[in-house]
Amino acid sequence: GAVVSQHPSWVICKSGTSVKIECRSLDFQATTMFWYRQFPKQSLMLMATSNEGSKATYEQGVEKDKFLINHASLTLSTLTVTSAHPEDSSFYICSARDVDSYEQYFGPGTRLTVT
Amino acid sequence: ILNVEQSPQSLHVQEGDSTNFTCSFPSSNFYALHWYRWETAKSPEALFVMTLNGDEKKKGRISATLNTKEGYSYLYIKGSQPEDSATYLCAFTSGTYKYIFGTGTRLKVLA
Repeated sequence: GAVVSQHPSWVICKSGTSVKIECRSLDFQATTMFWYRQFPKQSLMLMATSNEGSKATYEQGVEKDKFLINHASLTLSTLTVTSAHPEDSSFYICSARDVDSYEQYFGPGTRLTVT
Repeated sequence: ILNVEQSPQSLHVQEGDSTNFTCSFPSSNFYALHWYRWETAKSPEALFVMTLNGDEKKKGRISATLNTKEGYSYLYIKGSQPEDSATYLCAFTSGTYKYIFGTGTRLKVLA
């Protein structure tokens, strides 16, 4: 089956530092990847759509300068949380859309804690 | 604002019991309804993609129904087993790639 990996699975960082999260499709190509965030007891909320070779599309209320997205290849998208603050502590999860089937497959997520 | 609701938020059942939970979604501009099974520390696993009103899908002991006119889908688990313990998510799409998720139903099956 289609597998999506995320790295790291959890990270603790100090306020003001930047954190990069990687999302990889391991056995399929994905021109489009999606980044979601989940706060406790809330649903997964789409943050942005990452398009290979072009700029990401951000959802309303998501700061593009704070959440930098790069989708440099058909199998890798990265999300960088810049100058992280405690309120950015959350669960971040990506999904990748198979170019052939259009199905979305999810990674296992990254737990970010900013102290 | 499109809203997807799932109920109950959580439930505990005994091994062998059958159970079901609900996903409510907007009845207008419907394209597809997705069900996922999500175990802790793992990737959400796709269970069903449902597109047609009246659709009923089955995978082993798990089945789902869809009513697009009234905007709900039921997920049924027959003869629950401890390994069925997980969070069950539904996601609604209206024809774009955007998935709108519910908050999930956390199921715990007690041995």
